[in-house]
Amino acid sequence: DTAVSQTPKYLVTQMGNDKSIKCEQNLGHDTMYWYKQDSKKFLKIMFSYNNKELIINETVPNRFSPKSPDKAHLNLHINSLELGDSAVYFCASSQYRGKAFFGQGTRLTVV
Amino acid sequence: DQQVKQNSPSLSVQEGRISILNCDYTNSMFDYFLWYKKYPAEGPTFLISISSIKDKNEDGRFTVFLNKSAKHLSLHIVPSQPGDSAVYFCAASASGGSQGNLIFGKGTKLSVKP
Repeated sequence: DTAVSQTPKYLVTQMGNDKSIKCEQNLGHDTMYWYKQDSKKFLKIMFSYNNKELIINETVPNRFSPKSPDKAHLNLHINSLELGDSAVYFCASSQYRGKAFFGQGTRLTVV
Repeated sequence: DQQVKQNSPSLSVQEGRISILNCDYTNSMFDYFLWYKKYPAEGPTFLISISSIKDKNEDGRFTVFLNKSAKHLSLHIVPSQPGDSAVYFCAASASGGSQGNLIFGKGTKLSVKP
């Protein structure tokens, strides 16, 4: 059983489209995250969310929005995709301030 | 503004020898540090962590050392094995503020040669 799973693994789409990436964790963790790994290989936090609080990295455009239907899911919605959004997106989960477990990543390519 | 820095993009080591990966940080509020290992096309996997109340933590072949005064930590792998070849990320978090958010370094690619 995969602890943190995200789908799809690859996503190719045109500029201007709206897309979603799904993430699920079966670890019973209370906090979930989205990270972006850009072309320079930096892993940057985008969002962290638990059932009480959403924390947004101020550098993230408001075209990106996390949606959490329940504690085990944190999906990432992206509106009006731009070329610069091409990156690998990682979902992760942890207990508060514990070690984070990562999904396998979603490689998004905007053409 | 890089709060966590891994200044060596790559490191090559002979099998059986020691690998030493280094990490520096600038934020004095960081109090929890982790090392992650990443293979291509996979997500990072947790390796070892250390709290700021300690200066050393050991788990099998992996040892992390923390020097708070120098704002420096290092990961020692001994003996190194070819399966250790991967990208290693240093990460840090601080209590308060964006609790739990890990700030990552850029990674060091370790190659262990047979």
